[in-house]
Amino acid sequence: DSGVTQTPKHLITATGQRVTLRCSPRSGDLSVYWYQQSLDQGLQFLIHYYNGEERAKGNILERFSAQQFPDLHSELNLSSLELGDSALYFCASSVRETFYEQYFGPGTRLTVT
Amino acid sequence: GIQVEQSPPDLILQEGANSTLRCNFSDSVNNLQWFHQNPWGQLINLFYIPSGTKQNGRLSATTVATERYSLLYISSSQTTDSGVYFCAVEPTGRRALTFGSGTRLQVQP
Repeated sequence: DSGVTQTPKHLITATGQRVTLRCSPRSGDLSVYWYQQSLDQGLQFLIHYYNGEERAKGNILERFSAQQFPDLHSELNLSSLELGDSALYFCASSVRETFYEQYFGPGTRLTVT
Repeated sequence: GIQVEQSPPDLILQEGANSTLRCNFSDSVNNLQWFHQNPWGQLINLFYIPSGTKQNGRLSATTVATERYSLLYISSSQTTDSGVYFCAVEPTGRRALTFGSGTRLQVQP
């Protein structure tokens, strides 16, 4: 157990809908990172927050947004969902501001039908 | 953007064998990391190795940044080493990680 929790574990929704994925980092970690893993695109870095502020942005679509709250948990919002958004979404946390020493959550599997 | 290529794509070993996984990248990097994803999907950070050599038990990694490649060595492989190994790089001047497509390793008893 990495200490990083993600909810829900599974999510099934329809095209055009909006969903919110939640991540709670390990106690004491200030950084949260979001990743998407799909059969088509492989593993992709989406976005990084450190202590509430966005620090780095990867291949995140404009339909997707994220934030990190004062209690350091983070949410990834996915809107106008398409079939291609079906994927495993991981979050990771770290005490560092860089990508160093990340601990990954178990992931949320999103299925868009 | 930067290209990250991993080889081989698939590898089957007998328990106890050694293996070398390779990661080539197309541009200069500030950071290179190796990750393992076990058969149940859990991702683990193995090494942060922008240059030089590091060892952790039966695993070691070497990055030659000037030649734009990194190697992950697995010695005396065990069935628990099965899964997918990913290399990821942070290009110089850009704060983002780009992943390779992975090497799928199967260690047979």
